[in-house]
This record gives sequence, C-alpha cells and structure tokens, in this order.
Amino acid sequence: EAQVTQNPRYLITVTGKKLTVTCSQNMNHEYMSWYRQDPGLGLRQIYYSMNVEVTDKGDVPEGYKVSRKEKRNFPLILESPSPNQTSLYFCASSSLPTAEAFFGQGTRLTVV
Amino acid sequence: GQQLNQSPQSMFIQEGEDVSMNCTSSSIFNTWLWYKQDPGEGPVLLIALYKAGELTSNGRLTAQFGITRKDSFLNISASIPSDVGIYFCAGPPLNAGGTSYGKLTFGQGTILTVHP
Repeated sequence: EAQVTQNPRYLITVTGKKLTVTCSQNMNHEYMSWYRQDPGLGLRQIYYSMNVEVTDKGDVPEGYKVSRKEKRNFPLILESPSPNQTSLYFCASSSLPTAEAFFGQGTRLTVV
Repeated sequence: GQQLNQSPQSMFIQEGEDVSMNCTSSSIFNTWLWYKQDPGEGPVLLIALYKAGELTSNGRLTAQFGITRKDSFLNISASIPSDVGIYFCAGPPLNAGGTSYGKLTFGQGTILTVHP
C-alpha cells in the first residue's frame, strides 16, 4: 500500500529539548516536503527536498532543520523547540512538486 | 512568500445544496491544485489543473483554472454529509524567471460544514 508514515503522531515536549519527527515514503518519490498547519493559516511549507541531498527552504524554515540522506526518509529536526512551534505537522511526498502529493497522518506537537 | 487567498473562510450549508469557493493570487500560477482534508487526516488531492481556462470534473466536483491564471474555482454539486472538511487550493509560485522552483503554497482553507 502506497503510504507516507510519520512518527510520532503526538508529542509533548519542553522548550529547548531537541526532537526529530520521522517521515518515510514507500512510493520512490523524489519530492518530499514538510508543512505546519495552524488555524486560519492553512498549510505552510517548512522545507522541501527535490532529491537525495537536495533540500531547500520553504516559507517558514526558521527553527527547523531537515536532511535527505536516502530517498525514502525525510526527517524534520527541531534543535531547540519553542512554544511557537506548537502545531500540527505534515510530511508529504510526490513524484513532482505539482503532481499529486501523498500526505502522512500528521504529528501534533506541543511545546511547553 | 506569495499568498493564496481562499474565500469564503467557512460555509454552513444544507445537504443537497451546491457549493462554490475560490482562490486568488496577486501573481500568476501555472498549476492549481485542490485538496480536501477530512478531520484528523492529511489532505488528499481532488483535482489538478495545468492549463489556463481548463475545466475539470471529478464526480460532483468541478474546478476551473482562471483565464488570468491568478485564480481558480471549485464547485461541489448536491452536497452530502461526507463533503465536510477543509478544502485547500495550492500551487507552485513562480520565480522571476517564470519557472516554478519547487515550493508549494497553500491557501488558508475553506471549512465546509454540511447539515443533514
């Protein structure tokens, strides 16, 4: 079954404690991206990756890092989380940026 | 970054009614994508539009790529309770050279509630 898997689904953490949200896809897609969803703001792109070792900033990259060491995985790293990073995060993959994107189930992060 | 403005922000309708929503931008897009997000799920693609003036249907859904390339419309006919959710437009913003550079911008979403 074609899918994008994010982990964890829910996470509560404290300010400053580094965390990683994993994302894995099994469709051999080259394009992957991370979004955060906040009420009234829709989905905002954090980072995207056109291929292995190729990553670039989206619209709201501050406070986040990503890596793309292999095609299937695209982890999102928060080196020093802050409360304003409390949000619902989605990972997505597609063959091209304009092709159908497959989204993960989301990770609800709370930073206290 | 470039913004997509969706309208209306929310709609409350009766089952059986038709629904119209739109998405506008201050700059042109070469592609318009419409996604739906069910409660507790990630968005799912409904319709993709790749050419100005294009009109595409998917069941009871019809979407159009505006002639000016700065807007797009989504219509849902004869709404049913499972149409409830958030509808997003999305597209890749163009850089100064006119080519898309990999980003994808989403609108704020239209929240649809359907009363049985």
